[in-house]
Amino acid sequence: AQKVTQAQTEISVVEKEDVTLDCVYETRDTTYYLFWYKQPPSGELVFLIRRNSFDEQNEISGRYSWNFQKSTSSFNFTITASQVVDSAVYFCALRLPNTDKLIFGTGTRLQVFP
Amino acid sequence: DGGITQSPKYLFRKEGQNVTLSCEQNLNHDAMYWYRQDPGQGLRLIYYSQIVNDFQKGDIAEGYSVSREKKESFPLTVTSAQKNPTAFYLCAIKDTGFNYGYTFGSGTRLTVV
Repeated sequence: AQKVTQAQTEISVVEKEDVTLDCVYETRDTTYYLFWYKQPPSGELVFLIRRNSFDEQNEISGRYSWNFQKSTSSFNFTITASQVVDSAVYFCALRLPNTDKLIFGTGTRLQVFP
Repeated sequence: DGGITQSPKYLFRKEGQNVTLSCEQNLNHDAMYWYRQDPGQGLRLIYYSQIVNDFQKGDIAEGYSVSREKKESFPLTVTSAQKNPTAFYLCAIKDTGFNYGYTFGSGTRLTVV
């Protein structure tokens, strides 16, 4: 069965701290896609990144970086020098090829205090 | 402006009533989806439609119904058979580009009073 686990329910940090959000996934398929979405208080889910299973390169986008490790089935998300605007719920998700749904983790609520 | 529009943003329903949530898109995408979000449970798929006049049940379809008469519209009806309808409902389309994921609407928060 496919599953996504985000063990951290809530994280609180002070502005400018670095923070890592963990994501562990389960699948027997060798081809799959992993995603991170941000859900600000407004409610809309905002796409952050997609990763293919055959591409283990880490990615950096400004203050955001992602560490994909197939050996540990993890796809962790790090925010460097966090800001108040980063406060949101962050979801990790898994999608298999030839299926039409995303399997979401339960989300991690990040609160960044000034 | 292109995108997905969900309405209303907030909706209140009395017990025993059916209520319909609207989802409209002008991005000309074929596939549309409805997800339900409950606190601490992430998002769960209710129904999806890959083409006009066709739709499939997701993981939690009981108590819900949908229609897809037009490409732009995928309304979700929460029926009285849904025992715990209070939740946040998100509509999405499947991206055909590099993303291979979904673009979501802004959601409808349904509360049973």
